[in-house]
Amino acid sequence: QALLVQSGAEVRKPGASVKVSCKSSGYNFINYYIFWVRQAPGQGLEWMGWINPLSGGTNYAQKFQGWVTMTRDTSISTVYMELNRLKSDDTALYYCARGNTPFDSSGSADTWGQGTLVTVSS
Amino acid sequence: DIQMTQSPSTLSASVGDTVSITCRASQTILTWLAWYQQTPGKAPKLLIYKASTLESGVPSRFSGSGSGTEFTLTLSSLQPDDFATYYCQQYVSFPYTFGQGTKLEI
Repeated sequence: QALLVQSGAEVRKPGASVKVSCKSSGYNFINYYIFWVRQAPGQGLEWMGWINPLSGGTNYAQKFQGWVTMTRDTSISTVYMELNRLKSDDTALYYCARGNTPFDSSGSADTWGQGTLVTVSS
Repeated sequence: DIQMTQSPSTLSASVGDTVSITCRASQTILTWLAWYQQTPGKAPKLLIYKASTLESGVPSRFSGSGSGTEFTLTLSSLQPDDFATYYCQQYVSFPYTFGQGTKLEI
C-alpha cells in the first residue's frame, strides 16, 4: 500500500526559506508523479506543481515560479519542496500527493501525505 | 487558469438523505475531473476520478456524473462519516485547479 510521510512542522521568519520532505514507500517511487498542494488555515486547496521522480523534471504553477523548487532523491524515495522568500500569507499546510496513473503528470491524486504546517511569523 | 466553481458552498442534510454538489468549469474539461473529501485535520481523500470512476475502496453511495463544464457529485443514504468538505479538481490543464469547496453539515 502506497504511503507518503512528510517532515514535521516548521516555523520561519519572513524572508526565510523552508524545505519540506515527502518520503514514499509501498510502491515503485519512480513510476508516479508527486504533486504539491497547499492549504492556508480555513481555506481551500491550492495546486503548486509537480515533480517527475524518474527524470527530476518539474512543472510549477505560474504563481510559484521563481520561488519554489521541487527536487527528489531516488536513493531514499524522497521528494522535497523548498519555498523561498517566505511571507506571512505562505502560512499553510503543505501536502505532497501521488498521481494515480503511472508516468502521467495529468491526473488526480490517490495518496496524500499527512501535511506539513509551515508557519511564517516574525 | 481554469476556474472551478462549486455550489452550494454549504449544504445542510441529515443522516439517510441524498444530496448533490455541483461543480462548474470556466471552460470545457471533458471528463478530467476528480472529487475529494476532506475531514477536519486530515488530508484530502480521492473519491472519484475521470468524472465518474469510483476510487478503489470508496463506497458505492458516492457517484459522479457530467462532462464538459458541468459535473455533479451525489451522495446517497448519508452516513455520519460523510459530513465533511468536498472539493472538485480539474486536471486537463495545468495548473490543476480546485473548486472552493462545499461543506456538508448536519
